[in-house]
Amino acid sequence: ILNVEQSPQSLHVQEGDSTNFTCSFPSSNFYALHWYRWETAKSPEALFVMTLNGDEKKKGRISATLNTKEGYSYLYIKGSQPEDSATYLCASKTSYDKVIFGPGTSLSVIP
Amino acid sequence: DVKVTQSSRYLVKRTGEKVFLECVQDMDHENMFWYRQDPGLGLRLIYFSYDVKMKEKGDIPEGYSVSREKKERFSLILESASTNQTSMYLCASSPGTGGSINEKLFFGSGTQLSVL
Repeated sequence: ILNVEQSPQSLHVQEGDSTNFTCSFPSSNFYALHWYRWETAKSPEALFVMTLNGDEKKKGRISATLNTKEGYSYLYIKGSQPEDSATYLCASKTSYDKVIFGPGTSLSVIP
Repeated sequence: DVKVTQSSRYLVKRTGEKVFLECVQDMDHENMFWYRQDPGLGLRLIYFSYDVKMKEKGDIPEGYSVSREKKERFSLILESASTNQTSMYLCASSPGTGGSINEKLFFGSGTQLSVL
């Protein structure tokens, strides 16, 4: 089983701070990289699906970059708000039917 | 919007009981998945299905079975529940149209199962 790693495991930031976290994945057999946000008591929700080296995606204050050659992706949150508090999951798709998830980064934004 | 519905949010069962976790999706997706989430670990795939009556083992199928008699419904069965199956269980679906690599997963809100 290929490992997907995320760091940090958890993060506490003040409202208004910008933050970023990392997803590392094996660069071989790469199909796509997914980012999901999972708020407490809700369903994980897809933020981004990225496939090409150098991809950058943005959704409001959240953006992500992808480096498939070295096997990492960064997720950035600009001006964190309390509603950004969630666990952020990344997942590497290594074949049509195989998606490997990382353990997640838990973000708490303190008002 | 796609909706993936899991039948129970919380479930408490006793060791040895047979447990059914139900999942229904309403967008005619071909693919359905069952994952479990444990602290410090990523979502781990238990079983998945590409079509009615078809199933494939994921990474941790031991102690579980699945049933997909209708396209919209995918059931996870714990034949004889054990304490190490206490976990958060998540169901997911994806369109499955032509094997697009851009397909994302649509998740249910999870079932927290406690086996005593």
